[in-house]
Amino acid sequence: SQQGEEDPQALSIQEGENATMNCSYKTSINNLQWYRQNSGRGLVHLILIRSNEREKHSGRLRVTLDTSKKSSSLLITASRAADTASYFCATDNNNDMRFGAGTRLTVKP
Amino acid sequence: DTGVSQNPRHKITKRGQNVTFRCDPISEHNRLYWYRQTLGQGPEFLTYFQNEAQLEKSRLLSDRFSAERPKGSFSTLEIQRTEQGDSAMYLCASSLNKSPLHFGNGTRLTVT
Repeated sequence: SQQGEEDPQALSIQEGENATMNCSYKTSINNLQWYRQNSGRGLVHLILIRSNEREKHSGRLRVTLDTSKKSSSLLITASRAADTASYFCATDNNNDMRFGAGTRLTVKP
Repeated sequence: DTGVSQNPRHKITKRGQNVTFRCDPISEHNRLYWYRQTLGQGPEFLTYFQNEAQLEKSRLLSDRFSAERPKGSFSTLEIQRTEQGDSAMYLCASSLNKSPLHFGNGTRLTVT
């Protein structure tokens, strides 16, 4: 069964704009991770935030985690056409990694 | 190439046939995961191994599905008596303990 749910399901923006994607989950977690998937390919890990962290940065990525609300957000700043992909959150709850349905991001040049 | 390798990349089979997919993880990774992904959806967890031990299986994994990792290295996923509903991308991922997952590019199965 899926664990996380991303919102929105699809997002279309212009190059240079920021993109924000949200993830909600149901059970307690050790950490939450964000992955990216280009069409027809496997997923690529982007960033991991531990349950005791509230915010983390990596390049143009900023992730927040609110364990009281069981939610996380991924912000991509100054988006590029190459950021076009599907983005998934995944939760690590001791046993395995569960993924949400993803946000399909389209960045128009 | 030292990434996760999956073979074949594509498989077309007729309903009722058996199929087997192979995954070669990153060599030092002790955990290996199988996921199934249909169009527009996220990966659905099927099963995972720590070394050669299969530690968890999803309820999605019916009796027709079996996975093995005999020596704690490569893994195979077999589907017996395939059905059209089995058509999907089958993804394998590996990790070292609890580190992030490294995915292969998947095997796309089409059941006709």
